[in-house]
Amino acid sequence: EAQVTQNPRYLITVTGKKLTVTCSQNMNHEYMSWYRQDPGLGLRQIYYSMNVEVTDKGDVPEGYKVSRKEKRNFPLILESPSPNQTSLYFCASSRRLGQGPQPQHFGDGTRLSIL
Amino acid sequence: AQSVTQLDSHVSVSEGTPVLLRCNYSSSYSPSLFWYVQHPNKGLQLLLKYTSAATLVKGINGFEAEFKKSETSFHLTKPSAHMSDAAEYFCVVSDKQTGANNLFFGTGTRLTVIP
Repeated sequence: EAQVTQNPRYLITVTGKKLTVTCSQNMNHEYMSWYRQDPGLGLRQIYYSMNVEVTDKGDVPEGYKVSRKEKRNFPLILESPSPNQTSLYFCASSRRLGQGPQPQHFGDGTRLSIL
Repeated sequence: AQSVTQLDSHVSVSEGTPVLLRCNYSSSYSPSLFWYVQHPNKGLQLLLKYTSAATLVKGINGFEAEFKKSETSFHLTKPSAHMSDAAEYFCVVSDKQTGANNLFFGTGTRLTVIP
Protein backbone atom coordinates (compact mmCIF):
# COMPACT_ATOMS: atom_id res chain seq x y z
CA GLU A 1 0.00 0.00 0.00
CA ALA A 2 1.34 3.41 -1.01
CA GLN A 3 1.80 5.52 2.06
CA VAL A 4 3.65 8.24 3.89
CA THR A 5 4.43 7.26 7.48
CA GLN A 6 5.20 9.74 10.22
CA ASN A 7 6.40 8.97 13.72
CA PRO A 8 5.50 9.74 16.38
CA ARG A 9 1.85 10.63 15.89
CA TYR A 10 1.74 12.52 19.18
CA LEU A 11 4.47 14.01 21.33
CA ILE A 12 4.52 16.21 24.40
CA THR A 13 7.93 17.52 25.38
CA VAL A 14 9.66 20.44 27.04
CA THR A 15 11.40 23.52 25.74
CA GLY A 16 14.94 22.93 24.56
CA LYS A 17 14.87 19.14 24.35
CA LYS A 18 15.94 18.12 20.86
CA LEU A 19 13.45 16.00 18.96
CA THR A 20 13.13 14.36 15.56
CA VAL A 21 9.99 13.52 13.67
CA THR A 22 10.57 10.83 11.08
CA CYS A 23 8.90 10.59 7.70
CA SER A 24 9.15 7.70 5.29
CA GLN A 25 7.48 7.05 1.93
CA ASN A 26 7.33 3.82 -0.06
CA MET A 27 6.45 5.27 -3.47
CA ASN A 28 9.98 6.10 -4.69
CA HIS A 29 9.02 9.78 -4.84
CA GLU A 30 11.72 12.35 -5.49
CA TYR A 31 9.95 15.26 -3.84
CA MET A 32 9.23 15.46 -0.11
CA SER A 33 8.04 18.28 2.07
CA TRP A 34 7.15 19.26 5.63
CA TYR A 35 4.21 21.49 6.59
CA ARG A 36 2.83 22.79 9.82
CA GLN A 37 -0.86 23.41 10.30
CA ASP A 38 -2.13 26.07 12.68
CA PRO A 39 -5.72 27.22 13.23
CA GLY A 40 -6.76 29.89 10.76
CA LEU A 41 -3.49 29.69 8.83
CA GLY A 42 -3.92 26.57 6.73
CA LEU A 43 -0.76 24.62 5.99
CA ARG A 44 2.56 26.40 5.69
CA GLN A 45 5.63 24.81 4.21
CA ILE A 46 8.68 24.42 6.43
CA TYR A 47 11.23 22.70 4.19
CA TYR A 48 11.18 20.68 1.02
CA SER A 49 13.48 18.37 -0.85
CA MET A 50 13.54 17.76 -4.58
CA ASN A 51 15.83 14.76 -4.32
CA VAL A 52 18.51 13.08 -2.20
CA GLU A 53 20.90 15.61 -0.65
CA VAL A 54 18.84 18.51 -2.05
CA THR A 55 16.85 20.52 0.47
CA ASP A 56 15.49 24.05 0.53
CA LYS A 57 13.61 26.39 2.83
CA GLY A 58 9.89 26.86 2.62
CA ASP A 59 7.90 29.71 4.10
CA VAL A 60 8.56 29.07 7.82
CA PRO A 61 11.95 27.33 8.21
CA GLU A 62 13.15 29.07 11.39
CA GLY A 63 13.85 26.67 14.22
CA TYR A 64 13.80 23.56 12.03
CA LYS A 65 16.33 21.39 10.21
CA VAL A 66 15.90 18.58 7.73
CA SER A 67 18.07 16.05 5.99
CA ARG A 68 17.64 13.83 2.94
CA LYS A 69 20.27 11.15 3.00
CA GLU A 70 18.01 8.52 1.50
CA LYS A 71 15.24 8.87 -1.02
CA ARG A 72 12.55 7.38 1.19
CA ASN A 73 13.28 9.32 4.41
CA PHE A 74 12.96 13.00 5.26
CA PRO A 75 13.24 13.63 9.01
CA LEU A 76 12.30 16.94 10.61
CA ILE A 77 14.59 18.04 13.43
CA LEU A 78 13.87 20.56 16.14
CA GLU A 79 17.22 21.25 17.77
CA SER A 80 15.83 23.41 20.57
CA PRO A 81 12.03 23.32 20.49
CA SER A 82 10.06 26.27 21.77
CA PRO A 83 6.35 26.64 22.63
CA ASN A 84 5.62 28.49 19.36
CA GLN A 85 6.46 25.26 17.55
CA THR A 86 3.48 23.56 19.11
CA SER A 87 1.52 22.56 16.04
CA LEU A 88 0.28 19.77 13.81
CA TYR A 89 2.94 18.67 11.34
CA PHE A 90 2.48 16.91 8.02
CA CYS A 91 4.97 15.23 5.76
CA ALA A 92 4.15 14.83 2.08
CA SER A 93 5.73 13.33 -1.01
CA SER A 94 5.21 13.36 -4.75
CA ARG A 95 6.88 12.66 -8.05
CA ARG A 96 8.97 15.41 -9.59
CA LEU A 97 7.22 18.46 -10.99
CA GLY A 98 8.95 17.87 -14.30
CA GLN A 99 6.58 15.00 -14.91
CA GLY A 100 3.57 17.34 -14.71
CA PRO A 101 1.84 18.95 -11.73
CA GLN A 102 1.87 16.29 -9.12
CA PRO A 103 -0.57 15.85 -6.25
CA GLN A 104 1.13 15.23 -2.97
CA HIS A 105 0.54 12.26 -0.71
CA PHE A 106 0.27 13.20 2.94
CA GLY A 107 1.05 11.38 6.15
CA ASP A 108 -1.51 11.29 8.96
CA GLY A 109 0.20 14.06 10.89
CA THR A 110 2.22 14.50 14.06
CA ARG A 111 0.81 16.58 16.87
CA LEU A 112 3.61 18.25 18.82
CA SER A 113 3.12 20.05 22.11
CA ILE A 114 6.11 21.97 23.47
CA LEU A 115 5.70 22.98 27.11
CA ALA B 1 3.50 34.97 -6.53
CA GLN B 2 0.97 32.28 -5.85
CA SER B 3 -1.79 32.46 -3.26
CA VAL B 4 -5.33 31.29 -2.67
CA THR B 5 -8.19 32.83 -0.73
CA GLN B 6 -10.97 30.69 0.64
CA LEU B 7 -13.84 33.04 1.13
CA ASP B 8 -15.64 31.13 3.88
CA SER B 9 -14.01 29.70 6.98
CA HIS B 10 -17.13 27.70 7.81
CA VAL B 11 -20.01 26.45 5.65
CA SER B 12 -23.02 24.62 7.01
CA VAL B 13 -25.49 22.72 4.79
CA SER B 14 -28.30 20.26 5.32
CA GLU B 15 -27.86 16.68 4.21
CA GLY B 16 -29.04 16.28 0.62
CA THR B 17 -28.60 19.94 -0.32
CA PRO B 18 -25.89 21.36 -2.62
CA VAL B 19 -22.42 22.25 -1.42
CA LEU B 20 -20.46 25.29 -2.61
CA LEU B 21 -17.00 26.03 -1.25
CA ARG B 22 -15.45 29.13 -2.75
CA CYS B 23 -11.84 29.68 -3.73
CA ASN B 24 -10.07 32.49 -5.55
CA TYR B 25 -6.46 32.24 -6.61
CA SER B 26 -3.65 34.54 -7.57
CA SER B 27 -0.92 33.31 -9.85
CA SER B 28 1.58 34.89 -12.19
CA TYR B 29 1.63 31.77 -14.30
CA SER B 30 -0.90 29.33 -15.64
CA PRO B 31 -1.75 27.65 -12.35
CA SER B 32 -2.26 24.10 -11.26
CA LEU B 33 -5.01 23.99 -8.68
CA PHE B 34 -6.10 21.32 -6.25
CA TRP B 35 -8.74 20.68 -3.65
CA TYR B 36 -7.77 18.55 -0.65
CA VAL B 37 -10.00 17.25 2.13
CA GLN B 38 -8.97 16.63 5.71
CA HIS B 39 -11.07 14.46 7.97
CA PRO B 40 -10.54 14.71 11.75
CA ASN B 41 -7.22 13.29 12.93
CA LYS B 42 -6.26 12.40 9.38
CA GLY B 43 -3.89 13.66 6.76
CA LEU B 44 -4.98 15.37 3.58
CA GLN B 45 -6.57 13.51 0.71
CA LEU B 46 -6.67 14.77 -2.85
CA LEU B 47 -10.21 15.43 -4.11
CA LEU B 48 -9.39 16.73 -7.57
CA LYS B 49 -6.86 18.68 -9.59
CA TYR B 50 -6.87 21.16 -12.47
CA THR B 51 -3.90 21.04 -14.81
CA SER B 52 -4.96 23.20 -17.80
CA ALA B 53 -6.96 20.52 -19.57
CA ALA B 54 -10.77 20.62 -19.16
CA THR B 55 -12.00 23.55 -17.07
CA LEU B 56 -14.62 21.42 -15.33
CA VAL B 57 -12.83 18.88 -13.19
CA LYS B 58 -14.51 15.88 -11.63
CA GLY B 59 -13.09 14.41 -8.46
CA ILE B 60 -13.83 11.69 -5.97
CA ASN B 61 -16.99 11.32 -3.90
CA GLY B 62 -19.13 13.31 -6.36
CA PHE B 63 -17.21 16.58 -6.02
CA GLU B 64 -16.31 18.77 -8.94
CA ALA B 65 -14.73 22.17 -9.50
CA GLU B 66 -14.74 24.65 -12.35
CA PHE B 67 -11.71 26.70 -13.30
CA LYS B 68 -12.74 30.21 -14.38
CA LYS B 69 -9.79 32.24 -15.51
CA SER B 70 -11.78 35.45 -15.97
CA GLU B 71 -12.89 35.28 -12.35
CA THR B 72 -9.68 33.69 -11.01
CA SER B 73 -11.88 31.20 -9.23
CA PHE B 74 -11.87 27.46 -8.60
CA HIS B 75 -15.01 26.80 -6.56
CA LEU B 76 -15.78 23.30 -5.30
CA THR B 77 -19.31 21.93 -5.63
CA LYS B 78 -21.34 18.83 -4.94
CA PRO B 79 -25.01 18.41 -5.85
CA SER B 80 -26.05 16.64 -2.66
CA ALA B 81 -24.20 16.63 0.66
CA HIS B 82 -23.69 13.47 2.69
CA MET B 83 -22.91 13.27 6.37
CA SER B 84 -19.54 11.79 5.49
CA ASP B 85 -18.60 15.01 3.66
CA ALA B 86 -18.20 16.85 6.97
CA ALA B 87 -14.52 17.79 7.02
CA GLU B 88 -12.11 20.63 6.34
CA TYR B 89 -11.41 21.49 2.72
CA PHE B 90 -8.33 23.23 1.37
CA CYS B 91 -7.92 24.98 -1.96
CA VAL B 92 -4.32 24.77 -3.10
CA VAL B 93 -2.22 26.28 -5.89
CA SER B 94 0.99 24.72 -7.11
CA ASP B 95 4.16 26.73 -7.53
CA LYS B 96 5.57 25.85 -10.91
CA GLN B 97 7.69 28.97 -11.11
CA THR B 98 10.59 27.66 -9.05
CA GLY B 99 10.49 24.23 -10.63
CA ALA B 100 9.57 22.74 -7.31
CA ASN B 101 6.30 21.07 -6.52
CA ASN B 102 5.55 23.45 -3.67
CA LEU B 103 1.97 23.96 -2.67
CA PHE B 104 0.32 27.11 -1.34
CA PHE B 105 -2.68 26.39 0.85
CA GLY B 106 -5.74 28.43 1.57
CA THR B 107 -6.74 28.76 5.20
CA GLY B 108 -9.40 26.10 4.86
CA THR B 109 -13.20 25.84 4.94
CA ARG B 110 -14.85 23.67 7.54
CA LEU B 111 -17.95 21.99 6.14
CA THR B 112 -20.67 20.97 8.57
CA VAL B 113 -23.50 18.74 7.33
CA ILE B 114 -26.72 18.91 9.32
CA PRO B 115 -28.86 15.76 9.43
